[in-house]
Amino acid sequence: GAGVSQSPSNKVTEKGKDVELRCDPISGHTALYWYRQSLGQGLEFLIYFQGNSAPDKSGLPSDRFSAERTGGSVSTLTIQRTQQEDSAVYLCASSLFPRGPNEQFFGPGTRLTVL
Amino acid sequence: QQPVQSPQAVILREGEDAVINCSSSKALYSVHWYRQKHGEAPVFLMILLKGGEQMRHEKISASFNEKKQQSSLYLTASQLSYSGTYFCGTEGFSGAGSYQLTFGKGTKLSVIP
Repeated sequence: GAGVSQSPSNKVTEKGKDVELRCDPISGHTALYWYRQSLGQGLEFLIYFQGNSAPDKSGLPSDRFSAERTGGSVSTLTIQRTQQEDSAVYLCASSLFPRGPNEQFFGPGTRLTVL
Repeated sequence: QQPVQSPQAVILREGEDAVINCSSSKALYSVHWYRQKHGEAPVFLMILLKGGEQMRHEKISASFNEKKQQSSLYLTASQLSYSGTYFCGTEGFSGAGSYQLTFGKGTKLSVIP
């Protein structure tokens, strides 16, 4: 079956512009996660969705970052007034069961470059 | 808090063995291991649960010492396909009332012929 998909694969934007990143999780997966990966910094947790609600937003770095999930499926991560330090690869993952010791399936990521 | 992985990078010749360590300052419920090849998404290798047994994925095995809050990944008779960055994720109970998975910075493994 289809895995996790993300779009766009690459996004170049100018400082100060808003961007939207999309994630399509595996069908039936209730949990969805957003991570940010900067060079040499590992996988930085941003936000976790269980269904359409986000019980853990503790990783969002500032109020410029927001995310939503609709229909228990597609999620959108929005970054407003982008800054150069927002440049990174943004990864989405989904898992069948709620947060806990179960496998996360990652998408290919969106590479964001802020000029 | 982010777990600490060591070494940061290692180069092996085909057939050699390696150990990657992961340690945390927090009490852990489980440890996850993922591998990411260059330009690709991270791929799940295994989960080790508190009180659980040592796990294996092909010729890769791992252990979890709950008391020391450490996990080690053992790569035996390495193959070229093992090259990539290995991430450990440590899972503990967060203040938000749920489990939280925190990844380390990764260990870059290069296997050469």
